[in-house]
Amino acid sequence: GAGVSQSPSNKVTEKGKDVELRCDPISGHTALYWYRQSLGQGLEFLIYFQGNSAPDKSGLPSDRFSAERTGGSVSTLTIQRTQQEDSAVYLCASSLGVTSGNTIYFGEGSWLTVV
Amino acid sequence: QKEVEQNSGPLSVPEGAIASLNCTYSDRGSQSFFWYRQYSGKSPELIMFIYSNGDKEDGRFTAQLNKASQYVSLLIRDSQPSDSATYLCAGRDSNYQLIWGAGTKLIIKP
Repeated sequence: GAGVSQSPSNKVTEKGKDVELRCDPISGHTALYWYRQSLGQGLEFLIYFQGNSAPDKSGLPSDRFSAERTGGSVSTLTIQRTQQEDSAVYLCASSLGVTSGNTIYFGEGSWLTVV
Repeated sequence: QKEVEQNSGPLSVPEGAIASLNCTYSDRGSQSFFWYRQYSGKSPELIMFIYSNGDKEDGRFTAQLNKASQYVSLLIRDSQPSDSATYLCAGRDSNYQLIWGAGTKLIIKP
């Protein structure tokens, strides 16, 4: 597609429920990133996929968080047993590759509110 | 721990003046740097990237990189109220990982 597409754009869920957030990167982009941003805070790295390599999961805050990327394209971030502190905007980004000049492009984000 | 540091601000600049945003990084192996602008409630959007020492200009924006001193800056000439936003600096390190600063909030006063 023309840009990084994320869905849903907004999600309100009850504490303890599971949620799935979807990201469709720019066509041809091999690298895909998930970030979390709480209100007024900076970007918190969650996970990174590059091609067929094993993902870098070093930023996932707990085992309630997981992500997969099927067929090297669409990615799903799953949060199990959501907690109120999970409320944030979840940003997906993609880039053509990971060499020096490859810039990353962000989607509009999925705003998650846990009540 | 690899870090990219920015003053959180807010940095207040009068309309028409030059806004100067600075960023320092700890990893000497970092190869390229990016400036993103983020309006409140929106996702970051790329302004410029730079990977060579010196200046790179694009319209009202100039990015400056000094690898010896490990700092990157962004100058915005003829600042406009629409430039009011948070500016994020990021460096791509020698492992091609992106390290992000926390951002500087810029306010352009009419």
